[in-house]
Amino acid sequence: DAGVIQSPRHEVTEMGQEVTLRCKPISGHDYLFWYRQTMMRGLELLIYFNNNVPIDDSGMPEDRFSAKMPNASFSTLKIQPSEPRDSAVYFCASSFKASSYNSPLHFGNGTRLTVT
Amino acid sequence: SQQGEEDPQALSIQEGENATMNCSYKTSINNLQWYRQNSGRGLVHLILIRSNEREKHSGRLRVTLDTSKKSSSLLITASRAADTASYFCATATIQGAQKLVFGQGTRLTINP
Repeated sequence: DAGVIQSPRHEVTEMGQEVTLRCKPISGHDYLFWYRQTMMRGLELLIYFNNNVPIDDSGMPEDRFSAKMPNASFSTLKIQPSEPRDSAVYFCASSFKASSYNSPLHFGNGTRLTVT
Repeated sequence: SQQGEEDPQALSIQEGENATMNCSYKTSINNLQWYRQNSGRGLVHLILIRSNEREKHSGRLRVTLDTSKKSSSLLITASRAADTASYFCATATIQGAQKLVFGQGTRLTINP
């Protein structure tokens, strides 16, 4: 398996522009997570899906952020409008819940977003 | 909010030495996991220890869990230059079993 695939790897945009990050989870995984990593705040969970349904979006910073999962093999994280404080590395991860205990997360290599 | 806190924040040792990293957390957990992150890459799962386990081994890795002290440690034996990375603990609470919360990480540097 190719693992979790994220695109683009790098995104540089100007403040106010719309940004769309993309993720393809590992086939057969039924959980998908979006995390954001910054030096100041570390790794923060933004939202996660189970079987394409959003379960917990309490980590989404504000209404400018939205995430969708139209099918089991694709998810997007959109920021509209973007602001300089959104600059971070955004990770997508997927997992398969094999039992009552957690299965490990499989991370993509992230999208480094720079908003100028 | 951060559930796990790693200690130390940074660790530098010579190749061949053992490296120990610690993680403390605040609430009751379902399990605790350790991940490694190489520069510019995503996190990679290393080991998972369940709340009813006290110690687990995987190759050169040894993880302990003390639920009474709400702490865990990761020991890497006979370190190699390739072990240079950041190491994160992550916890899953019983209430939010699929929701992993990560600590700030320990930056480990192995000097040749």
